[in-house]
Amino acid sequence: QLQLQESGPGLVKPSETLSLTCTVSGGSISSSSYYWGWIRQPPGKGLEWIGSIYYSGSTYYNPSLKSRVTISVDTSKNQFSLKLSSVTAADTAVYYCARGFEYCSGGSCLNAFDIWGQGTMVTVSS
Amino acid sequence: QLVLTQSPSASASLGASVKLTCTLSSGHSSYAIAWHQQQPEKGPRYLMKLNSDGSHSKGDGIPDRFSGSSSGAERYLTISSLQSEDEADYYCQTWGTGINWVFGGGTKLTVL
Repeated sequence: QLQLQESGPGLVKPSETLSLTCTVSGGSISSSSYYWGWIRQPPGKGLEWIGSIYYSGSTYYNPSLKSRVTISVDTSKNQFSLKLSSVTAADTAVYYCARGFEYCSGGSCLNAFDIWGQGTMVTVSS
Repeated sequence: QLVLTQSPSASASLGASVKLTCTLSSGHSSYAIAWHQQQPEKGPRYLMKLNSDGSHSKGDGIPDRFSGSSSGAERYLTISSLQSEDEADYYCQTWGTGINWVFGGGTKLTVL
């Protein structure tokens, strides 16, 4: 059974870089059938997609965060990572990693996340 | 612009049924969506993918009490025989080329 686990510092100072890692267990991160993503949730608010990475290395980022986000994969460790630079208090949130899949039918496709990590809280404060 | 609209809250009695709505923005009525459940203090859980024709496919271990349906630009999640553990936030999510992954604002379901 595939599981995802986020890890990283729970406190980051303003203007610094937030770095998180997601460790995948029970399956290979190199599968061409899936991709991997980061999603965040500020306290008391809804879900916000941050970015996604495919096994090929292709990345897609939320336009509102694109200039500050880097997502990468380390297949040797079965992990993928998130870096978010120049953080402010607005980046305080629970950060989730997730596995994504694509489903196409009738000429249209859906990309969605079907396995989620438990999340890790990151607070931006001096 | 691809936007998913959900009512902020809903409520229903224990043992009853409830139908949650997710509305796709104009021009996107053919899009499929996914439904996710987030119980208090937990990470989201994938429930199902739902097509524009109402056909749906649930995730592993999702009870039969959960079902999906569609009408035009609206996508529905119906939960029957409500249980206390169904009290949660429910999010719809979709995807568009060049738009990427989009979440609705979520509906907080209270089981009375």
